[in-house]
Amino acid sequence: ETGVTQTPRHLVMGMTNKKSLKCEQHLGHNAMYWYKQSAKKPLELMFVYSLEERVENNSVPSRFSPECPNSSHLFLHLHTLQPEDSALYLCASSHGPSENTEAFFGQGTRLTVV
Amino acid sequence: GQSLEQPSEVTAVEGAIVQINCTYQTSGFYGLSWYQQHDGGAPTFLSYNALDGLEETGRFSSFLSRSDSYGYLLLQELQMKDSASYFCAVNMGGGFKTIFGAGTRLFVKA
Repeated sequence: ETGVTQTPRHLVMGMTNKKSLKCEQHLGHNAMYWYKQSAKKPLELMFVYSLEERVENNSVPSRFSPECPNSSHLFLHLHTLQPEDSALYLCASSHGPSENTEAFFGQGTRLTVV
Repeated sequence: GQSLEQPSEVTAVEGAIVQINCTYQTSGFYGLSWYQQHDGGAPTFLSYNALDGLEETGRFSSFLSRSDSYGYLLLQELQMKDSASYFCAVNMGGGFKTIFGAGTRLFVKA
């Protein structure tokens, strides 16, 4: 248990569906992140929020839409996804900003787009 | 572009020592981190090097050479539970610009 909880753990959705991933942390961190992990590829940073404001968006397609209503919760809204979006989506949190920032990851949501 | 290179797989026997290398090319550098991820689990933080040299934490040590853009993770007295993927990550600036390598899959055999 890392203190970061993600739901659901598994999700199968059609290309026309709309779904949301949820992440929750009670570590007192003020930065939260969404990462995409595909097989045999580096973890890809998708979005960063610090104090509930988006800091970085690494050119992620608009079919992924993040929301950070407060410092403890982060959502990733999904719509009209493609099969290549199937991956493990990891949420992380950290104290920040800092040069030495240990990230705490959730268990991830395994997403399959059919 | 930014890149981190690490071997895709390493196999070692229980009780042995294994070194996982990481070389990087990034536009900025504040430090090198290592994470461990078991199948189906979350990546967990192992170590962070901001300065050259060796950092030791129990059976795990991490080394950094900034002039060579190179680091490694050293695992001693290997145990079966050490079978996992290990990722190096470069912090390029502040806490928000971290990029990860593709990971090294470590198999520990009896």
